[in-house]
Amino acid sequence: NAGVTQTPKFQVLKTGQSMTLQCAQDMNHNSMYWYRQDPGMGLRLIYYSASEGTTDKGEVPNGYNVSRLNKREFSLRLESAAPSQTSVYFCASSVALAGASSYEQYFGPGTRLTVT
Amino acid sequence: AQSVAQPEDQVNVAEGNPLTVKCTYSVSGNPYLFWYVQYPNRGLQFLLKYITGDNLVKGSYGFEAEFNKSQTSFHLKKPSALVSDSALYFCAFATGTASKLTFGTGTRLQVTL
Repeated sequence: NAGVTQTPKFQVLKTGQSMTLQCAQDMNHNSMYWYRQDPGMGLRLIYYSASEGTTDKGEVPNGYNVSRLNKREFSLRLESAAPSQTSVYFCASSVALAGASSYEQYFGPGTRLTVT
Repeated sequence: AQSVAQPEDQVNVAEGNPLTVKCTYSVSGNPYLFWYVQYPNRGLQFLLKYITGDNLVKGSYGFEAEFNKSQTSFHLKKPSALVSDSALYFCAFATGTASKLTFGTGTRLQVTL
């Protein structure tokens, strides 16, 4: 099992460019999540998907869109990148179904994004 | 707003000594509490969680945590620290019907010889 995989590992964008971060899990998990990690701020939830076909906003959704393509894949899109979106992005998954919050999450290795 | 707090940015401990990484919570109802560890340039790894029942929870790599409702704390402990335990540690909580985590700001643990 590869667990949670993310591509790319690193990316540099210019302000205004767009890109999609890809995430896939092979654990047959129901829920998937996108976080960003910034120094001194811990991880903040951008969007999550409690099941295939559903997505919900997290704490910091502005400037992002997501797609739950199927049960395995959950992508994060930046339509017009801004320097404030420079961060490390983590995808995670959990066996949890909607309404179950006691299950741990499994994280991918992260994507380091720099917007200049 | 509901939250978890990690009051120490960094904890320094000598190898072989006991370690404690602190976490307090401000959450209504009965929270689910988690500890995760992040090694350099890696994603987060789950260490342990408190759901209900026994207040002392044992997890991976010899770590344990004690849920204390009266002090609203969930401190992470290990009896004997290793240099390889040096990493960034995050406390997190989940509540109710939303299967999402809210994280603390993290505590860097530095274990030296």
